[in-house]
Amino acid sequence: EAQVTQNPRYLITVTGKKLTVTCSQNMNHEYMSWYRQDPGLGLRQIYYSMNVEVTDKGDVPEGYKVSRKEKRNFPLILESPSPNQTSLYFCASSLNAGGETEAFFGQGTRLTVV
Amino acid sequence: AQSVSQHNHHVILSEAASLELGCNYSYGGTVNLFWYVQYPGQHLQLLLKYFSGDPLVKGIKGFEAEFIKSKFSFNLRKPSVQWSDTAEYFCAVILADRGSTLGRLYFGRGTQLTVWP
Repeated sequence: EAQVTQNPRYLITVTGKKLTVTCSQNMNHEYMSWYRQDPGLGLRQIYYSMNVEVTDKGDVPEGYKVSRKEKRNFPLILESPSPNQTSLYFCASSLNAGGETEAFFGQGTRLTVV
Repeated sequence: AQSVSQHNHHVILSEAASLELGCNYSYGGTVNLFWYVQYPGQHLQLLLKYFSGDPLVKGIKGFEAEFIKSKFSFNLRKPSVQWSDTAEYFCAVILADRGSTLGRLYFGRGTQLTVWP
């Protein structure tokens, strides 16, 4: 089954404790991205990757890092989480960066930073 | 920054009522347009999409949307809603002729639809 898998689904952490949210897709997609969803703001792109070893900032990259060492995986790293990063995070993948491709979303990770 | 506006924050309807959710975008170039639905506790799923051709597109579960280029709009419609349509609906845009942001979805703020049985 074609899917995007994120882990964990829920995470509560303390300010400053490094964490990683994993994302994996099994569709051999080139383009992957991370979004955060906040009430009243919709989804905003954090980082994206066009392909292996090619990553770039989205609209709200501050406080986040990513890596793309393999095509299937695109982890999101919070080196020093802060309460304003409490949010619902979605990983997405699409065949390529061409506009005529559908994005597939993971189940989401609800992060709370206290 | 590009903007996508969804005019209704929360819509409440009774079953069998007709639905229209508004979506407008600000980009003057070529766009690809999407509506996604998010059921409670679930991830986003694609309802329908428009790339080119017939501006009236049909999606899953009886939804359709019409692209009106002159109005920069892509409104979502359903003639008769069901209780199971209760969800949050997001309009999204890709700037199809802008290489620097290809692939990036710009989302509206979402519209929460509640359907009473």
